[in-house]
Amino acid sequence: NAGVTQTPKFQVLKTGQSMTLQCAQDMNHNSMYWYRQDPGMGLRLIYYSASEGTTDKGEVPNGYNVSRLNKREFSLRLESAAPSQTSVYFCASRLATNEQFFGPGTRLTVL
Amino acid sequence: AQSVTQLDSHVSVSEGTPVLLRCNYSSSYSPSLFWYVQHPNKGLQLLLKYTSAATLVKGINGFEAEFKKSETSFHLTKPSAHMSDAAEYFCVVSQNTGFQKLVFGTGTRLLVSP
Repeated sequence: NAGVTQTPKFQVLKTGQSMTLQCAQDMNHNSMYWYRQDPGMGLRLIYYSASEGTTDKGEVPNGYNVSRLNKREFSLRLESAAPSQTSVYFCASRLATNEQFFGPGTRLTVL
Repeated sequence: AQSVTQLDSHVSVSEGTPVLLRCNYSSSYSPSLFWYVQHPNKGLQLLLKYTSAATLVKGINGFEAEFKKSETSFHLTKPSAHMSDAAEYFCVVSQNTGFQKLVFGTGTRLLVSP
């Protein structure tokens, strides 16, 4: 039981490049989330998926898209990366209660 | 609307002394409250949660927190700090109605000296 896994762990992009961050969970959770973490700002919600087939914007969705591929997988795409998207990205999934389980994070640098 | 304020960005203690990390919240609805811990270059781990049951909540690694509605507080405590407690701690609020989204505080970095 791996919990929540994320790939890659680290990534460096040039401005304008695109990439997809992958997230998978093996806990049969319905809800999944993408957050970004910036110094002094805690975690901010980018997008979430309440269940398979649905996605909704969070607090900071601009510049991102998501796909809930199936119940296990929830990917985050940057179509044209900008330096302001340099951050650490966390994926999470949720039980029926409010508790969320987090992945180890992806550290992204955009030059 | 919900919000969380962590009153200290950094807290320094000596090993073996008590830990107090302060958190105040604001919520229009009956909230759920959480404390998460993040060790350097790691993901977030749940320490404990309050979901309208007992107001004194015990978590992992000897941590506990008390929900005080009158003070809108949910402070995290531990009687005796250990070196391994050095990490960043996040207080989090979630409403108990509708689709629950977590709102994070800005974090408190706990430093533990020998």
